[in-house]
Amino acid sequence: RKEVEQDPGPFNVPEGATVAFNCTYSNSASQSFFWYRQDCRKEPKLLMSVYSSGNEDGRFTAQLNRASQYISLLIRDSKLSDSATYLCVGGNTGGFKTIFGAGTRLFVKA
Amino acid sequence: EAQVTQNPRYLITVTGKKLTVTCSQNMNHEYMSWYRQDPGLGLRQIYYSMNVEVTDKGDVPEGYKVSRKEKRNFPLILESPSPNQTSLYFCASSLGPAQGTSRPYEQYFGPGTRLTVT
Repeated sequence: RKEVEQDPGPFNVPEGATVAFNCTYSNSASQSFFWYRQDCRKEPKLLMSVYSSGNEDGRFTAQLNRASQYISLLIRDSKLSDSATYLCVGGNTGGFKTIFGAGTRLFVKA
Repeated sequence: EAQVTQNPRYLITVTGKKLTVTCSQNMNHEYMSWYRQDPGLGLRQIYYSMNVEVTDKGDVPEGYKVSRKEKRNFPLILESPSPNQTSLYFCASSLGPAQGTSRPYEQYFGPGTRLTVT
């Protein structure tokens, strides 16, 4: 089993839709979690850090469920510009070894 | 401008010919890391460095070497490249862990180096 798993998609949604991604992690000692966005063949860029209490940034909401060992990303009112691959990061047990999920591909269509 | 730079951006080479991919950051970050990205496998960590002269293996270190002689630079060395090292490589940097914790901060990535080994 992979340490961090994501549904690869693709998710095809119309503009204005709400879409949610989950990411599961296997190491219960994991300490930090992030969502990154990656456009085709470009470098990943931080979208959101994921805090235990959950956090929201505009149309984006991230949550952490430690009991079930998953993190989620909710995108409301999808825009064409949200089309990208979304990578979750988990599995950090302290220190700097970093485990990325393989990514979830999102296509938002007009 | 705060950034992570990598060179070269594109490289085609032959099996066995030693090569170095450079990485430099201007944010005074303690932590630096190298990843490779392959279709369906996502980003996999090759090596990371917590500070000058401190490095450790990630998940896929075989066939790679690194050094951290200066805080800003973290070159990736392929002593004898093979075709299975054909990939997209990213360098990343971040601050050290928040004081009193071991939780790392978010990482800033370089633009990537596309390497083809024939």
